Amino acid sequence: KQEVTQIPAALSVPEGENLVLNCSFTDSAIYNLQWFRQDPGKGLTSLLLIQSSQREQTSGRLNASLDKSSGRSTLYIAASQPGDSATYLCAVIGGGSNYKLTFGKGTLLTVNP
Amino acid sequence: GAGVSQSPSNKVTEKGKDVELRCDPISGHTALYWYRQSLGQGLEFLIYFQGNSAPDKSGLPSDRFSAERTGGSVSTLTIQRTQQEDSAVYLCASRPRSGGNQETQYFGPGTRLLVL
Repeated sequence: KQEVTQIPAALSVPEGENLVLNCSFTDSAIYNLQWFRQDPGKGLTSLLLIQSSQREQTSGRLNASLDKSSGRSTLYIAASQPGDSATYLCAVIGGGSNYKLTFGKGTLLTVNP
Repeated sequence: GAGVSQSPSNKVTEKGKDVELRCDPISGHTALYWYRQSLGQGLEFLIYFQGNSAPDKSGLPSDRFSAERTGGSVSTLTIQRTQQEDSAVYLCASRPRSGGNQETQYFGPGTRLLVL
């Protein structure tokens, strides 16, 4: 059974700092890995999707890497801003044809002004 | 265009009552998913629909939970004889089609269920 772990569970940083969120998964047979953002009382917003054949994806100040063989992914946020404060969720899609997501428990990020 | 919508946004019910949660996916999306997010737990998969059929119901926690989808569009998740442990946020997501590893799932805002 696929298990996804995110470290740290919570992180508080001053504005402007660069930071890294970590995600690990137990079964390397994945189709893709996604990073989502969840704001309180709202649904999930997809940030980056990395296909299994890719090593990284970038969007603005965000960069996500994937090392499928070691079962690890990182989300790098550059020059953090208070608006980045949210819960960040890592999720993988494993084998099978239904493309369901298996999620980690998330990292709660607080960026202080 | 319109995103995934869910109703109600909040539901408070008494233990033992039945509840229905509704999901309107993005128009044209054939794949639909229900997930549950309990306090202290991660998001857990409940059920997957491809069109109107549900080939994967493996995440439904008990036979008190059921779901249906009609017209390849709206889906309803029903919880019978609710228990306090059913309290959670129920999230619905849709995807353009069942295949392809380049496509994300689009999530609704969720229904926050509280069972007293």
